[in-house]
Amino acid sequence: KAGVTQTPRYLIKTRGQQVTLSCSPISGHRSVSWYQQTPGQGLQFLFEYFSETQRNKGNFPGRFSGRQFSNSRSEMNVSTLELGDSALYLCASSSNPGQVNYGYTFGSGTRLTVV
Amino acid sequence: AQKITQTQPGMFVQEKEAVTLDCTYDTSDPSYGLFWYKQPSSGEMIFLIYQGSYDQQNATEGRYSLNFQKARKSANLVISASQLGDSAMYFCAMREDQGGKLIFGQGTELSVKP
Repeated sequence: KAGVTQTPRYLIKTRGQQVTLSCSPISGHRSVSWYQQTPGQGLQFLFEYFSETQRNKGNFPGRFSGRQFSNSRSEMNVSTLELGDSALYLCASSSNPGQVNYGYTFGSGTRLTVV
Repeated sequence: AQKITQTQPGMFVQEKEAVTLDCTYDTSDPSYGLFWYKQPSSGEMIFLIYQGSYDQQNATEGRYSLNFQKARKSANLVISASQLGDSAMYFCAMREDQGGKLIFGQGTELSVKP
């Protein structure tokens, strides 16, 4: 059973550019969440999608957006990149986000460096 | 507001010994779940163990056990018989019943010495 696949693994972008990260959840999982991990702020929730609808959103500026497709694959986009956006972006999928006892399976992450 | 606190930034343990990683939490929701994840240097978050707020017994998964003390709002992870491959960052996380997100602690870096 394939795990959560994130592409690309590494990315280097220049300030002001935009970037799109991709996440393919475990087959059958309909919920995808995104997290940003930085040394200073730790792991922070970005947003969660379930059946193509955004269910939750974290406290990030509007430059951060996402979407989910009918096959449950998700993309997140960051526009007008800033140096502080350099981070490991983790995607997680879940089969049943409505139950509190369901955690998430995480991908290996995309490490974004903004120069 | 919901919060997870891990007070040990780094810890060392001798191979084959047991180690306890501390985690305290704060929530006003009576229904919640507590998780521990391991993050090796590769970056992937690996699920270790789960404890529900209504579970009567402490969770166990192989060498991992969770010491759940609800009144103290603590959920410490115990790793028995440490192995060199256990060296990694460990994160405690919480999810409330009505929330769709995990709240993470700052993590504890565990180093296992041979």
